Amino acid sequence: GAVVSQHPSWVICKSGTSVKIECRSLDFQATTMFWYRQFPKQSLMLMATSNEGSKATYEQGVEKDKFLINHASLTLSTLTVTSAHPEDSSFYICSAPQGEGHFQYFGAGTRLSVL
Amino acid sequence: GQNIDQPTEMTATEGAIVQINCTYQTSGFNGLFWYQQHAGEAPTFLSYNVLDGLEEKGRFSSFLSRSKGYSYLLLKELQMKDSASYLCAAMDSNYQLIWGAGTKLIIKP
Repeated sequence: GAVVSQHPSWVICKSGTSVKIECRSLDFQATTMFWYRQFPKQSLMLMATSNEGSKATYEQGVEKDKFLINHASLTLSTLTVTSAHPEDSSFYICSAPQGEGHFQYFGAGTRLSVL
Repeated sequence: GQNIDQPTEMTATEGAIVQINCTYQTSGFNGLFWYQQHAGEAPTFLSYNVLDGLEEKGRFSSFLSRSKGYSYLLLKELQMKDSASYLCAAMDSNYQLIWGAGTKLIIKP
């Protein structure tokens, strides 16, 4: 099956710093990738849809300038959390759809802890 | 609006059978997905239904009724490792997944 690699799996940073998370489709091309955030005991919340070669589409309430998304190639999308604050601490997961059924294949997730 | 409902938590006994229900309302419909998510991990795909009926895959089966906006995930011969959250997600006309809040399944010996 299709494989999506997400890196890093865990990051701890100081408040005010920026953190970049990478999402790669290893054996297929993805013109679209999805970025989710999940707080403890809650479901996945779609943050934005990353589009290769164009601007990302952000969900309502998600700050574009804080969560920078770049989809520079057909296999790589990045999410940068700028000026991170403790309330940004969460589990961030990317996914990429593949095939006729638009199955979403998930990365392993990144646990961000902002001190 | 678009909405997914599923129970918050269920408890079952090892070796038994459990059914997790899900109802959905979406703008258009391109299938119903079930994912399993262990604590601290990303979701893993379990099943996909786009036509009415039952799909069986080993110990897990998934059922869909499009007219009723209803699905269930059936887990047989429960094992302790089945303790996890089970996420129901419906795909709308834009191929976007609408997620339920997840059902935490607790398996007792």
